Amino acid sequence: DAGVIQSPRHEVTEMGQEVTLRCKPISGHNSLFWYRQTMMRGLELLIYFNNNVPIDDSGMPEDRFSAKMPNASFSTLKIQPSEPRDSAVYFCASSRARWIGNSPLHFGNGTRLTVT
Amino acid sequence: KNEVEQSPQNLTAQEGEFITINCSYSVGISALHWLQQHPGGGIVSLFMLSSGKKKHGRLIATINIQEKHSSLHITASHPRDSAVYICAVSKGANFGNEKLTFGTGTRLTIIP
Repeated sequence: DAGVIQSPRHEVTEMGQEVTLRCKPISGHNSLFWYRQTMMRGLELLIYFNNNVPIDDSGMPEDRFSAKMPNASFSTLKIQPSEPRDSAVYFCASSRARWIGNSPLHFGNGTRLTVT
Repeated sequence: KNEVEQSPQNLTAQEGEFITINCSYSVGISALHWLQQHPGGGIVSLFMLSSGKKKHGRLIATINIQEKHSSLHITASHPRDSAVYICAVSKGANFGNEKLTFGTGTRLTIIP
């Protein structure tokens, strides 16, 4: 089992540029979550999908953020235009079950985003 | 006040010591999770529990639903246990089972 795979591991970009983060969940997992981690706010849920359908995007901070899951094995988180305050580590996680009380989360290694 | 509170925020101990990290929460939950984040940044799910006690190797997690409290214990601690330990809760059915609410983490350092 390869685990949850995120790319890139590190991204440095200039303010105003578009940033795309990628995630491949564990095969057979039907829930996918995008989290953001900062020193100030810790881990925060941005959006999650169940069976490729976005269920709750209330954590997405602004319209500059968008996420897609075109199929069961791939998801993207896009920031356009990026701003310095978007600098954080972005984690993707997947789970076999929609209900987090029933199945543990498996996290990717994260993408460290720096916007200058 | 945060819905999930952890203590202590930082903990330094000598190798071999028994470690306890505490987590208190203020909402109804369906499960509580303990996560481990190593200095490299990766996050690993250690335990998911809704009652009682679970053990995995030198790690033990307990939860008291009535008191809304959980503890993570590490026996015979080792420098490789140095990490940030994060408590997270998934709320009851009325509040959205899908979401995790995270504590701010406890940074554990084990000195050889």
